[in-house]
Amino acid sequence: EAQVTQNPRYLITVTGKKLTVTCSQNMNHEYMSWYRQDPGLGLRQIYYSMNVEVTDKGDVPEGYKVSRKEKRNFPLILESPSPNQTSLYFCASSLSFGQGGTYNSPLHFGNGTRLTVT
Amino acid sequence: GDSVTQMEGPVTLSEEAFLTINCTYTATGYPSLFWYVQYPGEGLQLLLKATKADDKGSNKGFEATYRKETTSFHLEKGSVQVSDSAVYFCALSDKDQGAQKLVFGQGTRLTINP
Repeated sequence: EAQVTQNPRYLITVTGKKLTVTCSQNMNHEYMSWYRQDPGLGLRQIYYSMNVEVTDKGDVPEGYKVSRKEKRNFPLILESPSPNQTSLYFCASSLSFGQGGTYNSPLHFGNGTRLTVT
Repeated sequence: GDSVTQMEGPVTLSEEAFLTINCTYTATGYPSLFWYVQYPGEGLQLLLKATKADDKGSNKGFEATYRKETTSFHLEKGSVQVSDSAVYFCALSDKDQGAQKLVFGQGTRLTINP
């Protein structure tokens, strides 16, 4: 089954304790992205990647890191989490989003990771 | 920058009622427009899309028409069902900006009562 898999689904941690949220897709997609969802704000992009070893900042990258060493994986790293990073996080992938200047390819989303930082 | 504004929720309707969720956008280029739906505990799924003016996207009884003159992409359904209860997001992608992302509205929570 074609899917985007995020782990864990729920995570409670304390301020300053490094954590990683994993994201994996099995559709051979070029494009991957991380979003956070907050009430009243919709989804905001954190980072995206057009291909292996190519990553770029989105709208709210502060406090986050990503890597794209393999095509299928795009982990989100919080080196020193803070309470304002408490949110619902989504990973998404797309076959050709942004390729050749086209933006019609749909994004496929994971089921989300609810992170609480105390 | 680009932005999307949706009608405030939550919206509560009875089964078989007519649904409209308003969406307007601001973009400097010529965006593609999307509606995504999020069912409880799940990620977002593409519901429909339109890529140029006057295009109508449709899926599962939902429709939305790309109106460039009013910069709108309102979502409609003639007769809603309980199973349509979800959060709906309007979004755009603007290739002229070279932006490698979707810009989302804040979401509208829809509840359908039997």
